Amino acid sequence: GENVEQHPSTLSVQEGDSAVIKCTYSDSASNYFPWYKQELGKGPQLIIDIRSNVGEKKDQRIAVTLNKTAKHFSLHITETQPEDSAVYFCAAMKTSYDKVIFGPGTSLSVIP
Amino acid sequence: EAGVTQSPTHLIKTRGQQVTLRCSPISGHTSVYWYQQALGLGLQFLLWYDEGEERNRGNFPPRFSGRQFPNYSSELNVNALELEDSALYLCASSPGTGGAGATTEAFFGQGTRLTVV
Repeated sequence: GENVEQHPSTLSVQEGDSAVIKCTYSDSASNYFPWYKQELGKGPQLIIDIRSNVGEKKDQRIAVTLNKTAKHFSLHITETQPEDSAVYFCAAMKTSYDKVIFGPGTSLSVIP
Repeated sequence: EAGVTQSPTHLIKTRGQQVTLRCSPISGHTSVYWYQQALGLGLQFLLWYDEGEERNRGNFPPRFSGRQFPNYSSELNVNALELEDSALYLCASSPGTGGAGATTEAFFGQGTRLTVV
């Protein structure tokens, strides 16, 4: 089955700096890769996603890149703000009937 | 439009008891996923229902079970509770694949915090 790895497990950055979280997946059939942000005491919130026919997608300060050959995908947050502090999960899914498999998460702290 | 709603928000049970958690998906969504998130850990897949049928199951013992109703709401049942079942149980819904083969986004509820004492 699919296995998703995520690095780093914790990340601390100064406000205004960029943050990068990297994930790898094992199943080459996966072709949908969402990213979720989970704030303390809340459920995960979908923040951006990318499909396998696209190499990069951007939404304001966040962007995701996908390298299908290497089975890598990454989340980039620019101009970080304290409210970006949360746990971020990457995930992978196939187009056929399947479950969403999550990475172990990255705890991001943005220091004011 | 209402999001995914889960009830109850918090629950305390004694070891050996049984518990039922409930989830109402976003209107129009046919797929419901259940995940377990133990303290400080990631999201572990439990169950997936679509169009009333169980589509997939994670590596959990049979005392974890569930069902999906004709209105697409879902229940997660846990029998013979153990201390390590203490966790945040998250439900997510998606429009479902409908057999078309296209993946769709999953949206999460706020979860049910279960504490087993």
